[in-house]
Amino acid sequence: QVQLQESGPQLMKPSETLSLTCTVSGGSITGYYWSWIRQPPGKGLEWIGYIHYSGNTNYNPSLKSRVTISVDTSKNQFSLKLSSVTAADTAAYYCARVIGDFWSGSYDYWGQGTLVTVSS
Amino acid sequence: QSVLTQPPSVSAAPGQKVTISCSGSSSNIGNNYVSWYQQLPGTAPKLLIYENSKRPSGIPDRFSGSKSGTSATLGITGLQTGDEADYYCVTWDSSLSVFGGGTKLTVL
Repeated sequence: QVQLQESGPQLMKPSETLSLTCTVSGGSITGYYWSWIRQPPGKGLEWIGYIHYSGNTNYNPSLKSRVTISVDTSKNQFSLKLSSVTAADTAAYYCARVIGDFWSGSYDYWGQGTLVTVSS
Repeated sequence: QSVLTQPPSVSAAPGQKVTISCSGSSSNIGNNYVSWYQQLPGTAPKLLIYENSKRPSGIPDRFSGSKSGTSATLGITGLQTGDEADYYCVTWDSSLSVFGGGTKLTVL
């Protein structure tokens, strides 16, 4: 059974860079696309971007200038960096596996999510 | 404001059937697959339907999906109190994955 686990700081100050890592266990990161998705408290879901195990990426245009997603196949991990955070970036951050091609919109395995709060 | 429109809430009695709509356009639903997710309070979303109408292993056939033109529908039959959750539709639009605003299902 594939499992995903997010890790990283849960409290940040404005202007800092958010860094989260998703560790994949029970399966290989190879052969798939992987995504980051976030959800502000009490609100809906927002796609941040995806990365292919080969390193190919695509980001939400609304976040593109601040987002970097990377992959480390040797550790079976992929990571998210979001720079210059503000209170608007306060959200639960989820990592997820994509079924099939990147345009499928289908995410079969999800991490439990980690709540990141941005506050001075 | 999401590019995919879902009703904010729906409700029905236990044992009844409910449908949740997801309306989009030719740039998203009209030319791409639709997936549906269930999010129970305090948990991660769970895939219910992918490629418009396919169910992952372990998802009961009480859940069904369909697509017609630029709209998609999630159907749930034999409602149970455990089905109370938020439901989201998802598809691809141009260069990004887009989510509907979500629908809160109340089982009365």
